[in-house]
Amino acid sequence: AQTVTQSQPEMSVQEAETVTLSCTYDTSESDYYLFWYKQPPSRQMILVIRQEAYKQQNATENRFSVNFQKAAKSFSLKISDSQLGDAAMYFCAYRRSRDFGNEKLTFGTGTRLTIIP
Amino acid sequence: DAGITQSPRHKVTETGTPVTLRCHQTENHRYMYWYRQDPGHGLRLIHYSYGVKDTDKGEVSDGYSVSRSKTEDFLLTLESATSSQTSVYFCAISGVTEQETQYFGPGTRLLVL
Repeated sequence: AQTVTQSQPEMSVQEAETVTLSCTYDTSESDYYLFWYKQPPSRQMILVIRQEAYKQQNATENRFSVNFQKAAKSFSLKISDSQLGDAAMYFCAYRRSRDFGNEKLTFGTGTRLTIIP
Repeated sequence: DAGITQSPRHKVTETGTPVTLRCHQTENHRYMYWYRQDPGHGLRLIHYSYGVKDTDKGEVSDGYSVSRSKTEDFLLTLESATSSQTSVYFCAISGVTEQETQYFGPGTRLLVL
């Protein structure tokens, strides 16, 4: 079974600084997708960034980027120029390729990010 | 934002009563999902649907049933609510051309007394 591990329950960063959230996963599959979701106090789950395992290039979305290390099964999220609005719980998630049918997302337990003004 | 609504947004009920949560989408997406979120567990899949009248179990399906009679609606029923089903419930949707991304509704907070 696939598992996703986020080993940092809480992190904090100074406003305008850079922070990296860690995620590791365990799978025997070669084709899959990885995601980072953000959950602010409103509880809404918001997609931050997505990575396809077959792509070697790391995904980026404005101030958010990932470091995808397929061999190490590592998928970290880097937030640059941290802003107060980035304060939230961040979840890493995994799913197998749709060639196996519609598969569920497997989530990590989350990292709570605090931004210090 | 994906057009997903959940109702009710908050509910308090008593042990042993039936409860139905509704997820409604306006995106005409094929796939719909119900997850529950509990501290220390992230989100876990309860049931999902891959079309009208086509549903399947997730990893924590005991005590829950679902129905999907229309593309836009996916109902989650707790036949006889228990305190262990106190949780936040999220509906999600995905399409066949969205590169496997699931989009989430706003969540329903359920308290079973």
